[in-house]
Amino acid sequence: DAGVIQSPRHEVTEMGQEVTLRCKPISGHNSLFWYRQTMMRGLELLIYFNNNVPIDDSGMPEDRFSAKMPNASFSTLKIQPSEPRDSAVYFCASSGQMNTEAFFGQGTRLTVV
Amino acid sequence: QQPVQSPQAVILREGEDAVINCSSSKALYSVHWYRQKHGEAPVFLMILLKGGEQKGHEKISASFNEKKQQSSLYLTASQLSYSGTYFCGARTGANNLFFGTGTRLTVIP
Repeated sequence: DAGVIQSPRHEVTEMGQEVTLRCKPISGHNSLFWYRQTMMRGLELLIYFNNNVPIDDSGMPEDRFSAKMPNASFSTLKIQPSEPRDSAVYFCASSGQMNTEAFFGQGTRLTVV
Repeated sequence: QQPVQSPQAVILREGEDAVINCSSSKALYSVHWYRQKHGEAPVFLMILLKGGEQKGHEKISASFNEKKQQSSLYLTASQLSYSGTYFCGARTGANNLFFGTGTRLTVIP
């Protein structure tokens, strides 16, 4: 398996623009996580899905953030409109059964100017 | 629900030992430890499932005290390759996985 695949790897956008980050989890995994990493806050859990259903989105910072998982092999994290303070590395991770390890994608480095 | 890690940063000379602590305000189903190198994704080290469980991974081991909702990561005889940021992951529910702010470990010759 190729592992968790995220795209794009880098994104530079202007304030106010819509940004869509994409994730393909490992085949057969039923849990998917979106994290935001900054120096100040470490790895923040934004939202997680189980069997394509959002379980808890209380970590999403604002209504400008939304996430979907239309099927078991694809998820998106959207920011609309984007702001400079959204600049961070966004990771997607997936895992199988409960209490198994989570595998991370390579992340998307987002810069909003 | 983020677990709290300490220390935030530590500098070691090769061969020295270190302990990284992790505590949760909520009951833990399991504890996960990851290491992240600069510019890379976090990489899984080990998972601890039961109260009192200890696990080892070469010279890196960990313990999990379920009652105290705490875990510790032990690095012995540190090597240059151990440098990175270590994250404690806490499962407080069936499907979640919260991480702390990390501990930056630097090993110098």
